[in-house]
Amino acid sequence: QQQVKQSPQSLIVQKGGISIINCAYENTAFDYFPWYQQFPGKGPALLIAIRPDVSEKKEGRFTISFNKSAKQFSLHIMDSQPGDSATYFCAASTPGGTSYGKLTFGQGTILTVHP
Amino acid sequence: GAVVSQHPSRVICKSGTSVKIECRSLDFQATTMFWYRQFPKQSLMLMATSNEGSKATYEQGVEKDKFLINHASLTLSTLTVTSAHPEDSSFYICSATRGGVETQYFGPGTRLLVL
Repeated sequence: QQQVKQSPQSLIVQKGGISIINCAYENTAFDYFPWYQQFPGKGPALLIAIRPDVSEKKEGRFTISFNKSAKQFSLHIMDSQPGDSATYFCAASTPGGTSYGKLTFGQGTILTVHP
Repeated sequence: GAVVSQHPSRVICKSGTSVKIECRSLDFQATTMFWYRQFPKQSLMLMATSNEGSKATYEQGVEKDKFLINHASLTLSTLTVTSAHPEDSSFYICSATRGGVETQYFGPGTRLLVL
């Protein structure tokens, strides 16, 4: 029930295209859903995050779509660029208690954007 | 703001020796710090959660006597890998949160190679 399932495992997109990465969860207690970007040999960097009371959040070229009833959320990268080539992780956490702030990560998606 | 550093960035040691990795929050006080381990092309695996001045909480299957965590101040946590063996070779990443906010800010990671 603590799992977050992420797909696809890898994704190849042409420059200028839209990259879409999906995540699904089971634990309805999750209330914070961040996306992280990780380049090889570096730590993850927070891209964008959303809470379940919002269906969509946009920051620049990055948009999170959230479907609470389906327990799914997705990351859309518009106008994908070669510099976006990285591994993307979705995550989820529960509020309060001993697990406060403890993230459950998806398996990761390796995105390659071809010029 | 919210910068987390790690030192060293890379360490090579002989089997049987101990290695200490430092994690510092540079511009904020970290109420909670997390330690992760990441194998190549895999997701982040949470090892332990630490709060300043209290004992770390280890995830199931993580040997607390092998991976010693000390959260001595609000800006510093250390992970010591005791009696390291080649199977401990991995990428170790820390993260930190600041009071009342669940966003985790990650360090750049430490690559450990045990020969």
